[in-house]
Amino acid sequence: DIQMTQSPSSLSASIGDRVTITCRASQGISNYLAWYQQLPGKPPQLLIYDASTLQSGVPSRFSGSGSGTYFSLTISSLQPEDFATYYCQQFSSAPLTFGGGTKVEIK
Amino acid sequence: EVQLVESGGGLVHPGRSLRLSCTGSGFTFGDYAMSWVRQAPGKGLEWVGFIRSAAYGGTTEYAASVKGRFTISRDDSKNIAYLQMSGLETEDTAVYYCTREGFDPWGQGTLVTVSS
Repeated sequence: DIQMTQSPSSLSASIGDRVTITCRASQGISNYLAWYQQLPGKPPQLLIYDASTLQSGVPSRFSGSGSGTYFSLTISSLQPEDFATYYCQQFSSAPLTFGGGTKVEIK
Repeated sequence: EVQLVESGGGLVHPGRSLRLSCTGSGFTFGDYAMSWVRQAPGKGLEWVGFIRSAAYGGTTEYAASVKGRFTISRDDSKNIAYLQMSGLETEDTAVYYCTREGFDPWGQGTLVTVSS
């Protein structure tokens, strides 16, 4: 099974900050990676797929990069509505494992 | 609008069974694989399994934690995907989400509580 290691597990940041979350796969997954945002009490929402393709309707301050085993999600200028938990997920092969999540909190 | 609605959750005793349903609308249901993902209280996301579309044989894949206990099926004539859960354990307590191939969108989830 492919393990997904996300870091950090939590971070504190201010409005306007640039934030980067990383995700490492235990083996190469090409670009078969997605990022999700989950607000409290809500289902996850797809932000990015194929490692770097922005889902329709997602603000352009979100971006993704990487391939193989190392990936990152960047929020260029943190907004109040971005305080949430973020997850990566590989869909290279079953089981389609998620990272442990990164909680982004207000500093 | 593409929409997914889960139902069937509730309180169940350990060892018992429960069937969840996921009803889709706003898209050609039979064209898509359907996945189930769960989230234990205060924890992260755990992929449960998926069922491929009929065009890809309607075959299934499962997480090791549920394999042999959970079964995913689908009725494309009714636009419903099912998650049949048997031999439930307290560790299966979670909100269960269904999601379409591509993991967009997700339903609102249904809570399953396994407790004596």
